[in-house]
Amino acid sequence: GEDVEQSLFLSVREGDSSVINCTYTDSSSTYLYWYKQEPGAGLQLLTYIFSNMDMKQDQRLTVLLNKKDKHLSLRIADTQTGDSAIYFCAEGENRDDKIIFGKGTRLHILP
Amino acid sequence: GAVVSQHPSWVICKSGTSVKIECRSLDFQATTMFWYRQFPKQSLMLMATSNEGSKATYEQGVEKDKFLINHASLTLSTLTVTSAHPEDSSFYICSFSPGGSVEQYFGPGTRLTVT
Repeated sequence: GEDVEQSLFLSVREGDSSVINCTYTDSSSTYLYWYKQEPGAGLQLLTYIFSNMDMKQDQRLTVLLNKKDKHLSLRIADTQTGDSAIYFCAEGENRDDKIIFGKGTRLHILP
Repeated sequence: GAVVSQHPSWVICKSGTSVKIECRSLDFQATTMFWYRQFPKQSLMLMATSNEGSKATYEQGVEKDKFLINHASLTLSTLTVTSAHPEDSSFYICSFSPGGSVEQYFGPGTRLTVT
């Protein structure tokens, strides 16, 4: 069945780069997402990538996709204290369709 | 960005009672919406998908008679947990998907505690 796996915790020093990794099993995934969850707020879409792309960059965020290995990563450059949150990897097949989420990676920023 | 609200944000109820959770999109209309539940340190588990004016489609293992979903309009959906049990205690999150959009817009969640 569909499954999305990611590590539960990552600790990074302020100013360093954070890399959050994710693997998925559904080969028919069309969209791969990264969502951010902060306390008291709804999940916020950070970025997404189509399955036919290898990389997408958006300011401090870089998403890399290895479709062969079904591996997705999110790199946050120059990590700031405001980046402290839970980051969810997710995949979906179609627009307006259900999304399968990983368990989320809690990013902790060290001073 | 788009705003989705949920009410209440936290509710405590006794076993056997029913609880209704509201989910509203404040600045857009959406035909499709989703209800998820999230356990601590767990992923969001999709419970059901609903389109306005149609019956909800429930995921395998989710009791449709226990978790009643009413997609009343393009901006409002409710989830009613009937005859609540302690094992129903969880974090319930809704999301709306505007037509043709890749993005889903999520509410802040409702924490349900059943005693």
